[in-house]
Amino acid sequence: EIVLTQSPATLSLSPGERATLSCRASHSVGSYLAWYQQKPGQPPRLLIYDASTRIPGIPARFSGSGSGTDFTLTISSLEPEDFAVYYCQQRSSWPRTFGRGTKVEI
Amino acid sequence: EVQLVESGGGLIQPGGSLRLSCAASGFTVSSNYISWVRQAPGKGLEWVSIIYSDGSTYYIDSVKGRFTISRDTSHNTVSLQMNSLRADDTAVYYCAGPYNPNYLDHWGQGTLVTVSS
Repeated sequence: EIVLTQSPATLSLSPGERATLSCRASHSVGSYLAWYQQKPGQPPRLLIYDASTRIPGIPARFSGSGSGTDFTLTISSLEPEDFAVYYCQQRSSWPRTFGRGTKVEI
Repeated sequence: EVQLVESGGGLIQPGGSLRLSCAASGFTVSSNYISWVRQAPGKGLEWVSIIYSDGSTYYIDSVKGRFTISRDTSHNTVSLQMNSLRADDTAVYYCAGPYNPNYLDHWGQGTLVTVSS
C-alpha cells in the first residue's frame, strides 16, 4: 500500500498569502496524484488530477506540481473561501489511498 | 447535471447488516464508475470499493468478504451491502464518480453509519 504523507498538518495563514502544501508518497506514483478540498460538513471536491491538471471551474490560483514521490499544491493568494482541509490521493495502485490532510486555517 | 444521493445509513449493532444506496441522475450507472469512500468522524478519507463499467469490482482488504457493491440499472442506483459490521466501520459513507475510475469527480452528501451497542 502506498502511504501518502502530507505536511504540514496545519497551515495558519491570512487572506492574500501564499499557501504551499506538500504530499510525499512512500513509493513513486508517477504523475498519478490528485488534490481535493473539503470544507466542514461537505463532501470533498476534486481540484487537480494527474499532479497538475486543474478541473474546469477551479480558480487559477490553485496549481499542482511534482512527480514521483514529491508533490505540491500551491494556492497563490488565499481567498476567504479557501480555508479548508486539503487531501492528496494517488491512483498509481490499489488500494487508492489518501493523505491525512492539511488544514489551512486563518 | 450529475447528482449522487446516498441513503440507508443509521445506527446498527456490531455484527449487524446495513444496505446503503446511491441514487444517480444525469448519467447511467451501467456505463460509468461508482465508488464508495468513507470518512470516520474527524478522520481522513478511505476508498472502500468501486464498481467499474464492465461490472468488475474492487474492495479494500478490511471489508473484503463483508461488503458487496452492486448496481441496479433499472433504478440507476448503486448499493453497498455491509455485513458483519464492526465499530471501526463507523463513518460517513460517500458515493462518488462517475466518469473516472481513478479520481472522484462528483460526490454525494454522504450517509452516516454508526456501529455501536
